[in-house]
Amino acid sequence: EAGVTQFPSHSVIEKGQTVTLRCDPISGHDNLYWYRRVMGKEIKFLLHFVKESKQDESGMPNNRFLAERTGGTYSTLKVQPAELEDSGVYFCASSQSPTYGEQFFGPGTRLTVL
Amino acid sequence: KQEVTQIPAALSVPEGENLVLNCSFTDSAIYNLQWFRQDPGKGLTSLLLIQSSQREQTSGRLNASLDKSSGRSTLYIAASQPGDSATYLCAVRPGRGSTLGRLYFGRGTQLTVWP
Repeated sequence: EAGVTQFPSHSVIEKGQTVTLRCDPISGHDNLYWYRRVMGKEIKFLLHFVKESKQDESGMPNNRFLAERTGGTYSTLKVQPAELEDSGVYFCASSQSPTYGEQFFGPGTRLTVL
Repeated sequence: KQEVTQIPAALSVPEGENLVLNCSFTDSAIYNLQWFRQDPGKGLTSLLLIQSSQREQTSGRLNASLDKSSGRSTLYIAASQPGDSATYLCAVRPGRGSTLGRLYFGRGTQLTVWP
């Protein structure tokens, strides 16, 4: 069974540009999460989807971040326009129902904003 | 707001030693606690999941304990090996409120086991 996959593995962009990150959860997992780790800090929650619905988006830093999960399958996280402080590693995780099941993480996307 | 602290931040030991990694959390109303391992440049690998009603979980040379009332968990690694070198992360899931899905992470303990 394939694990959680993320694309790209690395992205280097300039301030003001747009970047879109993709996450493919484990097949059959209704719950999908996005997290972020900035240098020197702990991993922090961004948002949680249950199927295609946003269950909790209270961790999204501002309206430059837009997450979607069309059809309840893969998810995208768009940053537009990117700022220097958006640099970090973006992790995606998925879990089966119920919501409090064990979370399985992808390898992450390392985003560098210059 | 839940805060998770891990001590020590870094640990370097010779092969064969038994290790204890510590994790503490400020809000004892948790649903479960998960220990992860992260290798450089890689994602998080789940090691152990302890439900709030459990006291400990074991997997091979790993044993995790949970004292929910005091807000503490420990990860015990027996007979450490160089392959255990990684960053170990503790994460808790809240047991109430609208944020049931999210995990709160500590900053991790960076472990180096040398031959």
